[in-house]
Amino acid sequence: GIQVEQSPPDLILQEGANSTLRCNFSDSVNNLQWFHQNPWGQLINLFYIPSGTKQNGRLSATTVATERYSLLYISSSQTTDSGVYFCAVAQIYNQGGKLIFGQGTELSVKP
Amino acid sequence: NAGVTQTPKFRILKIGQSMTLQCTQDMNHNYMYWYRQDPGMGLKLIYYSVGAGITDKGEVPNGYNVSRSTTEDFPLRLELAAPSQTSVYFCASSSTSGGSYEQYFGPGTRLTVT
Repeated sequence: GIQVEQSPPDLILQEGANSTLRCNFSDSVNNLQWFHQNPWGQLINLFYIPSGTKQNGRLSATTVATERYSLLYISSSQTTDSGVYFCAVAQIYNQGGKLIFGQGTELSVKP
Repeated sequence: NAGVTQTPKFRILKIGQSMTLQCTQDMNHNYMYWYRQDPGMGLKLIYYSVGAGITDKGEVPNGYNVSRSTTEDFPLRLELAAPSQTSVYFCASSSTSGGSYEQYFGPGTRLTVT
C-alpha cells in the first residue's frame, strides 16, 4: 500500500516565525489533503491539493505529483496555529478512495 | 449546510456493551467513511460506503458493523465493546462528481471502553 511520511515530527516556533512541513508519498494519488487537528481534536480541512499550488491567507501548499511530495507553508505563525498537521493521500479506486494518513507534524507556537 | 454531523460527542461504555455511532451528511455525497484515531496516530479506515445499500470493509473492521439505507446516514455499530475500541471515531463524506475527491470530516465521537 501507499506509504506517507511527514517531516519534521515536531516543531516549536516563536510567534511570527515561518515554517515548512513536508509530506512524501510512495505512489501516484488522486487526492492529497492537508488537515489541522486543533487541541480539541477537531480536524480542519486546510487544502485539497493533488497537484499544483494553493494559498489561503498565511497558509499555502504545493504538491509536485511527479516527484511525490507536498509542502505546507505557514507564514507569520500565531499561537492558534498550534496542533497537529496531517497529510493524507488517496487513490480513488482503492477502497473507495480511503485516505491514508501520515503520522503528523506536531506544531507548537510560543507567544 | 451543517456538513457532516456526528452523535454522541462523548460516550463511556462498559466491556461487552453495544452502541451505535450516528453520522449524517447534508451535502448529497455518495461516498461515506468511518475512521478511528488512536492516541498519537493518524486515522485508519474502518468501513466505507460508495452509495446507499453498498458498504465494504476498510483496514480495521473487526468488532464493527455498518449499514447505509439512505444517502444521508451512515451509522456505525459496535457489538460487544472491548478496551481496544477506545478511540476517537470520525465520519467523513466525499463526492466523486466534478473531479474533486475532497473528504469532509465530522467533529468526532470520543469513546472510552472500561
